[in-house]
Amino acid sequence: GIQVEQSPPDLILQEGANSTLRCNFSDSVNNLQWFHQNPWGQLINLFYIPSGTKQNGRLSATTVATERYSLLYISSSQTTDSGVYFCAVAYTGTASKLTFGTGTRLQVTL
Amino acid sequence: DVKVTQSSRYLVKRTGEKVFLECVQDMDHENMFWYRQDPGLGLRLIYFSYDVKMKEKGDIPEGYSVSREKKERFSLILESASTNQTSMYLCASSFWRGRDTQYFGPGTRLTVL
Repeated sequence: GIQVEQSPPDLILQEGANSTLRCNFSDSVNNLQWFHQNPWGQLINLFYIPSGTKQNGRLSATTVATERYSLLYISSSQTTDSGVYFCAVAYTGTASKLTFGTGTRLQVTL
Repeated sequence: DVKVTQSSRYLVKRTGEKVFLECVQDMDHENMFWYRQDPGLGLRLIYFSYDVKMKEKGDIPEGYSVSREKKERFSLILESASTNQTSMYLCASSFWRGRDTQYFGPGTRLTVL
């Protein structure tokens, strides 16, 4: 099956710093989503982005499908950004069956 | 806003018990999913359903079954719970097959003693 690798596995930032999270995948995809899991375990969908670039406030994401990677940018980080960020993908023929990476754990400190 | 609810936040069961985890969504979504989340392994798909009474196996269906009698409700069943099924179970739903975002419930942390 498709492999999803996220980097870095852990990240500690001071409030106000910017960061880039990366997701590499091993096959062509037609579904890619970024999620944030808060410290209470709730998963929130951030972006549905199989290709191109999207922005939502301080967050933006870019997927370069031909090179099999996606980037999540967090600008001016806040303590509420802490948690685990997951990338999940699905590929042609199994478009509903997301495969998740193991996540990037982000801690934003004061 | 989409709302996905799960029947219990925490659940403790004994080995061999039959366990039902319930998930309800209120947005008329066709697709519903059950995942388990374990440290270091991320989320893994157990089963999903793309319509009432329809189901497909995910990556780790062994030891689990599902039921979808109504569009809004998707149940995960552990026929005979075992200690290796201790995990966080997450339900999700999405609008239509493979083309929309998945929305997650708050999760059920199941402990099997």
